[in-house]
Amino acid sequence: EAGVAQSPRYKIIEKRQSVAFWCNPISGHATLYWYQQILGQGPKLLIQFQNNGVVDDSQLPKDRFSAERLKGVDSTLKIQPAKLEDSAVYLCASSLDPHRVGYTFGSGTRLTVV
Amino acid sequence: GENVGLHLPTLSVQEGDNSIINCAYSNSASDYFIWYKQESGKGPQFIIDIRSNMDKRQGQRVTVLLNKTVKHLSLQIAATQPGDSAVYFCAEENNAGNMLTFGGGTRLMVKP
Repeated sequence: EAGVAQSPRYKIIEKRQSVAFWCNPISGHATLYWYQQILGQGPKLLIQFQNNGVVDDSQLPKDRFSAERLKGVDSTLKIQPAKLEDSAVYLCASSLDPHRVGYTFGSGTRLTVV
Repeated sequence: GENVGLHLPTLSVQEGDNSIINCAYSNSASDYFIWYKQESGKGPQFIIDIRSNMDKRQGQRVTVLLNKTVKHLSLQIAATQPGDSAVYFCAEENNAGNMLTFGGGTRLMVKP
């Protein structure tokens, strides 16, 4: 089966600019996660979707980050405006079931804010 | 992602030796744990998992040990190969059973 697809692979922007990341989960996976991985650290959950609804966004900095999964398939994560500390790899993961946490990660989008 | 191992603790082993990677978890109520392998430029990849009703679980060349008394988890890799070079993360599941919290990671370097 095809894996979790993410784009772009890399992005460099200036601080205060906006950026968007796209994720296409594995076909049929109802649960989708966005993680932020800062260099040298483990991934940190930003938001979890079940179909097109948000299950958990308690760790999403909502003043600048937003995410949507309008049709319950693809998802986008946006940052507006970006700060230097947002430089990280943004990982998308999906699973069949929210209670099966052995889910599949994409390769991520590496964001550099200068 | 790229250079994910920068600034992480590093374990260097000779090819063919056994490797042991350790992890301390924080939530005594956690009952499900996973080890992930992350190669440069890739997302984390599932290796092996264990539930809290077990002390040990074996896979192909990998063994996970769980010590709930001291909240400690370890990953043992037998006959380490160059392809095992990566960053390894442990993760614990929350009480609701739908979210993972990752540890800080350990970079494994295998010398040929």
